[in-house]
Amino acid sequence: AQRVTQPEKLLSVFKGAPVELKCNYSYSGSPELFWYVQYSRQRLQLLLRHISRESIKGFTADLNKGETSFHLKKPFAQEEDSAMYYCALDNQGGKLIFGQGTELSVKP
Amino acid sequence: DAMVIQNPRYQVTQFGKPVTLSCSQTLNHNVMYWYQQKSSQAPKLLFHYYDKDFNNEADTPDNFQSRRPNTSFCFLDIRSPGLGDAAMYLCATSSLFGQQETQYFGPGTRLLVL
Repeated sequence: AQRVTQPEKLLSVFKGAPVELKCNYSYSGSPELFWYVQYSRQRLQLLLRHISRESIKGFTADLNKGETSFHLKKPFAQEEDSAMYYCALDNQGGKLIFGQGTELSVKP
Repeated sequence: DAMVIQNPRYQVTQFGKPVTLSCSQTLNHNVMYWYQQKSSQAPKLLFHYYDKDFNNEADTPDNFQSRRPNTSFCFLDIRSPGLGDAAMYLCATSSLFGQQETQYFGPGTRLLVL
């Protein structure tokens, strides 16, 4: 079955510390993976997608097919990064399967 | 400059009383989606429209229906809400239906069933 797993419900770090939000997936085909973010009192929005291989707000994510992972990383966390982060898998050309989300809290 | 609008933001209904949630978009996107997100759970796709073509997920209960009268509007009808249907309902749109497409989300409607 296609599934996205985010093992951490809450991740708390201090400002300036590195951040890694974990995402593992199970998918039989060629996966298309995304990270969506929801800041406090805002709507869910796309942060980045693996196909773009881009860095957004200092975040990067590398697809590791061997480990079936798509972890989100940032070398130096900022307080404004505090939000809910969802990893998502596109399983049929447009249908998203979301992980349960990880709440990132960046303390001053 | 809201692009995907959901009304109301909060909806209270009674057990068994039909309720309709609405979504509108100013993006002129072809695809509209409805997701259900229960407390501390992942958003789960209920169905989507590609233009006027309706696509139901296999495990979406029959209690949930949808209408899309035009490009801009999409409605979620819950015929007989149960306590288990209390959740956040998210509407999203995308320009096309495909793996490269970004989905744009509304703020959600939180449904409470009494």
